[in-house]
Amino acid sequence: EDKVVQSPLSLVVHEGDTVTLNCSYEVTNFRSLLWYKQEKKAPTFLFMLTSSGIEKKSGRLSSILDKKELSSILNITATQTGDSAIYLCAKMWGGSQGNLIFGKGTKLSVKP
Amino acid sequence: DTEVTQTPKHLVMGMTNKKSLKCEQHMGHRAMYWYKQKAKKPPELMFVYSYEKLSINESVPSRFSPECPNSSLLNLHLHALQPEDSALYLCASSPRRDGTGYSPLHFGNGTRLTVT
Repeated sequence: EDKVVQSPLSLVVHEGDTVTLNCSYEVTNFRSLLWYKQEKKAPTFLFMLTSSGIEKKSGRLSSILDKKELSSILNITATQTGDSAIYLCAKMWGGSQGNLIFGKGTKLSVKP
Repeated sequence: DTEVTQTPKHLVMGMTNKKSLKCEQHMGHRAMYWYKQKAKKPPELMFVYSYEKLSINESVPSRFSPECPNSSLLNLHLHALQPEDSALYLCASSPRRDGTGYSPLHFGNGTRLTVT
């Protein structure tokens, strides 16, 4: 069965903390691993990881893929209340076009 | 705001109604998707259109009928829905794979559907 497993399912931190969110996936038909941030509406694209060991960064967020461990992490440094959201990890799979299988998400709450 | 526009934002319909959800993008993307997201659950794939042709139907009941009139538009026609079909319906698009790799999906804000 194709699975994407995220941990923890929820996390409460204070502003300024650094957090690490985890995602593991099954290797079947793997193309890429994606991270999205979802507040109330549309999942917003953060990162797409295809190659192992290459860190992608955007401001205080960074992510890396480990194909040996079939996993990825999303780091957020110096967290802010605006980082509060559900962070979704998704495996892109398929032949001629990509589509996504999502994990259940990690709900991050950043307290002032 | 996203570059994928969905209308309406909210929809309440009875079980005997017929309604349609609309999705539009002008990014030149050639793959479009419908996802369904129940409360506190991740999005689940329903349909994939590639070059205006239906390429994936994830065993979705026939009361959901997708349509792709052109490369910028994607509709989801609804008929005889059940209360358990109440959910956030998300449309997404992505560029067609060009041989250099896959591209991420860009989501619209969704239509929140309530079936009474």
